[in-house]
Amino acid sequence: AQKVTQAQTEISVVEKEDVTLDCVYETRDTTYYLFWYKQPPSGELVFLIRRNSFDEQNEISGRYSWNFQKSTSSFNFTITASQVVDSAVYFCALSEGDGGFQKLVFGTGTRLLVSP
Amino acid sequence: EAGVAQSPRYKIIEKRQSVAFWCNPISGHATLYWYQQILGQGPKLLIQFQNNGVVDDSQLPKDRFSAERLKGVDSTLKIQPAKLEDSAVYLCASSRKTSGLASQETQYFGPGTRLLVL
Repeated sequence: AQKVTQAQTEISVVEKEDVTLDCVYETRDTTYYLFWYKQPPSGELVFLIRRNSFDEQNEISGRYSWNFQKSTSSFNFTITASQVVDSAVYFCALSEGDGGFQKLVFGTGTRLLVSP
Repeated sequence: EAGVAQSPRYKIIEKRQSVAFWCNPISGHATLYWYQQILGQGPKLLIQFQNNGVVDDSQLPKDRFSAERLKGVDSTLKIQPAKLEDSAVYLCASSRKTSGLASQETQYFGPGTRLLVL
């Protein structure tokens, strides 16, 4: 069965610090997708990135970067020079295709608090 | 492009009462999902539709929860009768059906409905 573990419940940093959010997953499938979502206090989950299991290239988007390592089943997310607006709960999720439809399983989330 | 719309945003009811939530997905998205998010946890899938058909309702408590998507566009999720443990945020999401693997679809979420059962 698929499983996502986000061991960090809450992280507090001061603005401009770098911070890494960890994500470890379990799956028996060879083809799967990994996602990161941001949930600000308003409640809506905002899509950040999708990565497939065959692409281990790291990705950078502005202050955000993602490190995917199949050898350790991890898909970690780093925010460089954090800002107060980055304060939110971040969810890692694993997607498998099962019988022609998607099964998306979320971790328990990491709450990030960025103080000025 | 308009996002996923949900209403109401907040609802407070007494236990044993009934409640309904409404969702309108992104235009053109064939797949619609309902999730339950209990405080401090990640979203958990309740039911998934493709067009107007149910493809996965394995985690829906069918004795009290029901959902429909009659015309393949908007959807309603109902709880009857509500219990205290149903207090949660109910999230609706939609995705565009692709010709490739189902696992690659990106789900886009609405703002959610916060339900408090007293």
